[in-house]
Amino acid sequence: NAGVTQTPKFRVLKTGQSMTLLCAQDMNHEYMYWYRQDPGMGLRLIHYSVGEGTTAKGEVPDGYNVSRLKKQNFLLGLESAAPSQTSVYFCASSWDKVSYEQYFGPGTRLTVT
Amino acid sequence: DAKTTQPNSMESNEEEPVHLPCNHSTISGTDYIHWYRQLPSQGPEYVIHGLTSNVNNRMASLAIAEDRKSSTLILHRATLRDAAVYYCILDSNYQLIWGAGTKLIIKP
Repeated sequence: NAGVTQTPKFRVLKTGQSMTLLCAQDMNHEYMYWYRQDPGMGLRLIHYSVGEGTTAKGEVPDGYNVSRLKKQNFLLGLESAAPSQTSVYFCASSWDKVSYEQYFGPGTRLTVT
Repeated sequence: DAKTTQPNSMESNEEEPVHLPCNHSTISGTDYIHWYRQLPSQGPEYVIHGLTSNVNNRMASLAIAEDRKSSTLILHRATLRDAAVYYCILDSNYQLIWGAGTKLIIKP
């Protein structure tokens, strides 16, 4: 039982490049989330999904897109990376709505130069 | 959005209890209070959550004020492995609103 896994662990992009972060969970959770964490700050919600085929915007969605084609996977895309998107990205999942325990992945450290 | 206020850092001695305070004066009646912690270079980890009554689990206890405008996370016997950033969080409309948290330093 791997829990929540994230791919890749590290990535360096040049401004304007695109990439996709993959999150996978093997707990059959309905809810999945993408967060970003900047140095010395708490997490901020980018997008979330309440089930397969659904997505919704969080607190800071601009510049990101997401897809949830399979229940176990939640993809985060950056179409044209900017230096302001340099951050650590965390994926999480939960059984039900936000009032339930969220399980987090190990994070992806992204640097945009 | 409802927000929380926590001290930037706290120190405690190993094997002593730790009380981590959190103020949330703008909390609404349906907002749950969540606590997560984040060890260095790791993803956050759930600690405990509650709505009105005090809560206990194997990791900690959560004491919620009667007016719900503040709460306290209690670690009954801190160890070096409890050194982390502790976040007090409210949920609002499917979102957890995170603050900067309290960095807990454990002295051996």
